Amino acid sequence: GESVGLHLPTLSVQEGDNSIINCAYSNSASDYFIWYKQESGKGPQFIIDIRSNMDKRQGQRVTVLLNKTVKHLSLQIAATQPGDSAVYFCAENIMYSGGGADGLTFGKGTHLIIQP
Amino acid sequence: ETGVTQSPTHLIKTRGQQVTLRCSSQSGHNTVSWYQQALGQGPQFIFQYYREEENGRGNFPPRFSGLQFPNYSSELNVNALELDDSALYLCASSLGLAGQETQYFGPGTRLLVL
Repeated sequence: GESVGLHLPTLSVQEGDNSIINCAYSNSASDYFIWYKQESGKGPQFIIDIRSNMDKRQGQRVTVLLNKTVKHLSLQIAATQPGDSAVYFCAENIMYSGGGADGLTFGKGTHLIIQP
Repeated sequence: ETGVTQSPTHLIKTRGQQVTLRCSSQSGHNTVSWYQQALGQGPQFIFQYYREEENGRGNFPPRFSGLQFPNYSSELNVNALELDDSALYLCASSLGLAGQETQYFGPGTRLLVL
């Protein structure tokens, strides 16, 4: 089964509000986490990543928070815009797995809908 | 845009046939990973190629195979196609091994098996 999952399949927010998308992971060995945005008909687009030696990382209008104690990851999008409408995936990996690469493990995704 | 390109964009095949999908990695990237994304699901890792060799594989049968060329471009081959192989096939490239470097995805190839 998947080791990464999302709490809500759909999130609807008002334009201009902040959005928070949550993710739970189950593999305690994972030490690298990434958020991707996928628009309809396109491949996943890298948003931001975080390694396990950090608990917060900020980008342009986005912040990722990592809580290793409860194995929880969140993506905060400030001042949500219509262009933010997409499916958001969290993904996890192990940086040095000691053998062949395992690839990224993705959750099912959260569909972010922006209300005008 | 990531600079990762894939061809073709769409493909229709019948059950039992074979298919080859192609990926050109972003300039300077030596690692290519392939993922299968079923409708409404997250991508699932198929395998990764690093310096022309398979370096890691997900839970996919041997009829899924691949190649990486000296210019780091890659092919995904699927033999004996099944209906469940219908999906979006994504290629991602990175400067190094998955987990150590960020993976950047191409637009995907949409495969329909009838």
